[in-house]
This record gives sequence, C-alpha cells and structure tokens, in this order.
Amino acid sequence: GENVEQHPSTLSVQEGDSAVIKCTYSDSASNYFPWYKQELGKGPQLIIDIRSNVGEKKDQRIAVTLNKTAKHFSLHITETQPEDSAVYFCAASIGGNNRLAFGKGNQVVVIP
Amino acid sequence: DAGVIQSPRHEVTEMGQEVTLRCKPISGHNSLFWYRQTMMRGLELLIYFNNNVPIDDSGMPEDRFSAKMPNASFSTLKIQPSEPRDSAVYFCASTMRGSGRDTGELFFGEGSRLTVL
Repeated sequence: GENVEQHPSTLSVQEGDSAVIKCTYSDSASNYFPWYKQELGKGPQLIIDIRSNVGEKKDQRIAVTLNKTAKHFSLHITETQPEDSAVYFCAASIGGNNRLAFGKGNQVVVIP
Repeated sequence: DAGVIQSPRHEVTEMGQEVTLRCKPISGHNSLFWYRQTMMRGLELLIYFNNNVPIDDSGMPEDRFSAKMPNASFSTLKIQPSEPRDSAVYFCASTMRGSGRDTGELFFGEGSRLTVL
C-alpha cells in the first residue's frame, strides 16, 4: 500500500523565517497531494493541495512543490508567524483518489 | 454550516467496556471516513463509506471494531470490548465524491479522545 513519510518530525523556526517540510510517497499512481494543518485540540484542516499535472502551487505565504519523478513534495511557508505553529500532515491519494494516506506529521514551532 | 460533529469529545472508560463514538457528517456529503490518530502511527484510516455503504474496512484493526452508517447523516464506530491500546483520538471526516463539487478536500471533525484504563 501507499507509504507516506515526512521529514523532519519537528521544526523550529524564528518568526519571519521560512519553513520547509518534505514528504515522500511510494505509490506512483498517486495523483493528489494535500497538506493539512492541525492545531491543538482540533481536527486537521486543508491548507493547500496539488495535483500531479502541476509542479508548483502557491497561496499567499504557502506553497507546495511536487516532483513526481522523485516521488516527493514539499510545503513551503514564508514569513512565518506564531499562528503558523501547528502539526502539518502531508497526504497522498490511493485507490483511485477515494482515500488518502497521511504522513505522521511535523510539529512546526515558530519562535517569536 | 456546522461542520462535522463528533461525540463524545472525551471518553474515559475501563478495559472491557463498550465504547461508541458518533459522527454527523456535513449535510450533502456522500463519503465518510473514520481515522485513528496516535503519536506512534499518526493518522490511520480505519474505514470509509460511500453513500452509506462501507467500501473499505481493511484498516479496522480487529473484530472488536465495527462501524455503521444507517443513514446519510449519522455514523458510529464501536469498540467492544475496549483495550488500553485502543486509546487514541478518533476522527471522522466527510467529503463529496464523484461530482462537480468534488475538490478532494476532507472535512474533519474535532475528534473523540478515548482513554481506556
């Protein structure tokens, strides 16, 4: 089955700096790659996603890049702010896009 | 929209007891997913339903776990008998699949934190 791995597991950055989280996946048939943000005591919430027909997508301070050949994709957060502190999950579609396999999550801490 | 609603938010029970977790998906969504979250294993898909029919339950860990979706607005996840290793946060998520409104996004509830002593 699909195996999704995230690196690093914990990331601390100074406010204003950039944060980058990388994910790798194993199933070459995966074609949808979302990123979810989970704040303490809440459920994960979609922040950005990318499909396999594009290599990069940007939404304000957040961007995602995809390299299908290497089977990895990354989340980039620029000008980090304290409210960016959360756990971030990457995911990849499996089984014809009806299901998602999630990575184990990255704890991002933005230091004011 | 109220979003996905889960209950209870917290449950503490003793080993051997039956646990029932409940989920109300977003109105109009036709797919519902149950996930389990632990520190060790992250988010694991347990089962998902499409149009109230279980499609894939390969993630259900054991026969002690069962899930039902009697109608489009309600689902339950039951653990009987519960064990300490079942302690986790259980999330329900819903989405709209197979239509022009299918964006791929899963909408998660706030989770049910289960502690089995």
